[in-house]
Amino acid sequence: QKEVEQDPGPLSVPEGAIVSLNCTYSNSAFQYFMWYRQYSRKGPELLMYTYSSGNKEDGRFTAQVDKSSKYISLFIRDSQPSDSATYLCAMRRAGSYQLTFGKGTKLSVIP
Amino acid sequence: GAVVSQHPSWVICKSGTSVKIECRSLDFQATTMFWYRQFPKQSLMLMATSNEGSKATYEQGVEKDKFLINHASLTLSTLTVTSAHPEDSSFYICSAQLPSHEPYEQYFGPGTRLTVT
Repeated sequence: QKEVEQDPGPLSVPEGAIVSLNCTYSNSAFQYFMWYRQYSRKGPELLMYTYSSGNKEDGRFTAQVDKSSKYISLFIRDSQPSDSATYLCAMRRAGSYQLTFGKGTKLSVIP
Repeated sequence: GAVVSQHPSWVICKSGTSVKIECRSLDFQATTMFWYRQFPKQSLMLMATSNEGSKATYEQGVEKDKFLINHASLTLSTLTVTSAHPEDSSFYICSAQLPSHEPYEQYFGPGTRLTVT
């Protein structure tokens, strides 16, 4: 079993839809959870990070962490064609620099 | 803020030659930088952790003599792929860590696409 599982998609939604992206993990030591957006042939861009369980909102983006279920989510409201990208979840233990990434979910928002 | 650049963005080289990739933090000092490799439709795989002024720490399975990393200053780390072979063709991405305490946010460069012919 991989430490971090993420459905690679692809996921295609109409413009304006609510998008739900998810990752599951097996290592209960993970404390920090991140979501990165990666456009084609570009490096990942940090979207949000969350410490431990709970929700965090930033504009159209909401990150949720449920440590009891080892499940994290990223919601995108009012999705736009410019949101079309690959979304990577990443996580790490407290005190460690190392990030463990999911495979990424490729999202297409259709105008 | 927190901009990381990489150079070159794309390089083609012949088998057996060496290629150097630079990673720079443009507006902050990074004591720790990371080098990743990404194959098509795959996630980022950490190759090594680079600390300024000390030897890099390589992940299991990464040949340190093949992938030479030098972190000579707080804003520059270089990755040299020595005696490159076609199987080294990949997308190489660096990141720099900010700040030096939790949450240890990493900011990524735009990546370098290496093609070995």
